[in-house]
Amino acid sequence: EVVMTQSPATLSVSPGERATLSCRASQSVSSDLAWYQQKPGQVPRVLIYGASTRATGIPARFGGSGSGTEFTLTISSLQSEDFAVYYCQQYNNWPRTFGQGTKVEIK
Amino acid sequence: EVQLVESGGGLVQPGGSLRLSCAASGFTFNIYWMSWVRQAPGKGLEWVANIKHDGSERYYVDSVKGRFTISRDNAKNSLYLQMNTMRAEDTAVYYCVRGGWYVDYWGQGTLVTVSS
Repeated sequence: EVVMTQSPATLSVSPGERATLSCRASQSVSSDLAWYQQKPGQVPRVLIYGASTRATGIPARFGGSGSGTEFTLTISSLQSEDFAVYYCQQYNNWPRTFGQGTKVEIK
Repeated sequence: EVQLVESGGGLVQPGGSLRLSCAASGFTFNIYWMSWVRQAPGKGLEWVANIKHDGSERYYVDSVKGRFTISRDNAKNSLYLQMNTMRAEDTAVYYCVRGGWYVDYWGQGTLVTVSS
């Protein structure tokens, strides 16, 4: 199976600052990558699919990039509602696999 | 409005069985891949199983192969997960989700606890 590795495990950021989250695949997944956000007590929601396409209703401050094995989620100016756990997930191979998550916390 | 409502969770002993159900509404169920994703308490997400819109293809994570079976009834707009020979490590919230590639809709989840 494709192993997805996210870094860092925890990211401390001040509101208004930029956050950069990384996701690495153990083999190429082309652009078949999604990003999700999960807040405490809530179900995850998709932010990005196809590595860089924002899902419906997702603010423009969320951006995805990368292909192959290296991917990045950038939040250009963190808002209070953005503090959460973020997961990447590949869908190029079976079984689908998630990264272990990056927690974005208030600095 | 898309709705996915899981049921069937609960406490089961190691080695026991449980069947989860998911009632889908608000979309044309029989044209979508469907999946189950789980999340152990305080842990990350794990994709468990997928099933094609017509049931002709199914995929499982290695840790549940031979023990879990995903199925669907398109006439009832329902998705199922039969879980046998359950282990403590199967303890998790199980989400019914729409999608076989990425997930665009999630149910609220049902908690499964495997413990003696």
